[in-house]
Amino acid sequence: SYELTQPPSVSVSPGQTARITCSADALPKQYVYWYQQKPGQAPSLLIYKDDERPSGIPERFSGSSSGTTVTLTISGVQAEDEADYYCQSADSSDSSVVFGGGTKLTVL
Amino acid sequence: QVHLVQSGSELKKPGASVKVSCKASGYTFTSYPLNWVRQAPGQGLEWMGWINTNTENPTYAQGFTGRFVFSLDTSVSTAYLQITSLKAEDTAVYYCAKEGNDGFDIWGQGTMVTVSS
Repeated sequence: SYELTQPPSVSVSPGQTARITCSADALPKQYVYWYQQKPGQAPSLLIYKDDERPSGIPERFSGSSSGTTVTLTISGVQAEDEADYYCQSADSSDSSVVFGGGTKLTVL
Repeated sequence: QVHLVQSGSELKKPGASVKVSCKASGYTFTSYPLNWVRQAPGQGLEWMGWINTNTENPTYAQGFTGRFVFSLDTSVSTAYLQITSLKAEDTAVYYCAKEGNDGFDIWGQGTMVTVSS
């Protein structure tokens, strides 16, 4: 089955840049979406179609893609960015949705 | 304002059934698919499947066939998730999510289902 692999955790100091990767295990790679989930809250859409930012999402959040790896970059990390981040895509063989295992971002 | 509002927490005994509701507002309910996502305590997000809100045809992910049923009442813009023969491992937060043109753009607040004797 199609899998997306994320690092379990990433730690960064305030003001630094955090990079969270999401690796697909096969080609062709479908678009990847990123969601942010703060403790006790529902997930919310952060990035769509690899690198597009919905309205209202701060510019410090950006996405990029290279081969089978997509990266969420958070520039100038703030304490409020501490959350779990999930990538999501689709299995091209059956259009089923797949989530990565999630990455806990800790702001030191 | 687009919203999905889910029903409240449930405490059920093993073997019982539960029905979670997800009421949409602020958009044309039948124009966008509605997905269901499970999150077990301390775990990640798990896609359960989706329902076509226009045809009412459900699609279930692997592992969510048999005891899980997606349904709609389009007259009140509400989707339902029913789980039968509940097991302890069904304890989780269940989310509904509207699938827009660019991902799961609106999420319900989640419904905690606890299965315990």
